[in-house]
Amino acid sequence: QSVLTQPPSVSAAPGQKVTISCSGSSSNIGNSYVSWYQQLPGTAPKLLIYDNNKRPSGIPDRFSGSKSGTSATLGITGLQTGDEADYYCGTWDNSLSTGVFGGGTKLTVL
Amino acid sequence: QITLKESGPTLVEPTQTLTLTCTFSGFSLSTSGVGVGWIRQPPGKALEWLALIYWDDDKRYSPSLKSRLTITKDTSKNQVVLTMTNMDPVDTATYYCARRPGSGYSFDYWGQGTLVTVSS
Repeated sequence: QSVLTQPPSVSAAPGQKVTISCSGSSSNIGNSYVSWYQQLPGTAPKLLIYDNNKRPSGIPDRFSGSKSGTSATLGITGLQTGDEADYYCGTWDNSLSTGVFGGGTKLTVL
Repeated sequence: QITLKESGPTLVEPTQTLTLTCTFSGFSLSTSGVGVGWIRQPPGKALEWLALIYWDDDKRYSPSLKSRLTITKDTSKNQVVLTMTNMDPVDTATYYCARRPGSGYSFDYWGQGTLVTVSS
């Protein structure tokens, strides 16, 4: 049981937009920055979004992040088949004094 | 260019102690704010945060595994070592090390991961 809650799966057609939610509490998302990671099959996670809504160099602006209260959202526009992957949110939990991840969301591009 | 690479045994017997080494390059663990963490992922399951060591030797552990984990650093060798005692088959997972940049709560660079199987 992950501290952060994500939908197990989402799907959309190529070219469309999809959002992935990440729900937490005041001890984590509510008071910490959120990051998002993409994990392509058989590879290590890759940082997509940090500090709620910032993109590392090289990450296309099709990927965006937002946070409101104790929830965060990853948005992906102009979906491509290459975006099929597992996506994880992560943050710091001040009560646990540890980092935490969501359970992951599998994106299928139909 | 920042790289991290995990090394250690691929097979561990139950009750044994696992020792994993993360060897990195392209940054220094003596730089203020920087940290190196360990994350694991059982086959087909989600990421699990394990431990983090900061530039100033401050350490954080997952509460559920704290009694079994020890994280240390050797700044001169650019290495971070994670030990996990009393290994169990449920600890079978790919273990990743990753860099925490100077601020925030993200991991910006990850190693390729190493699969550790616990079995007799």
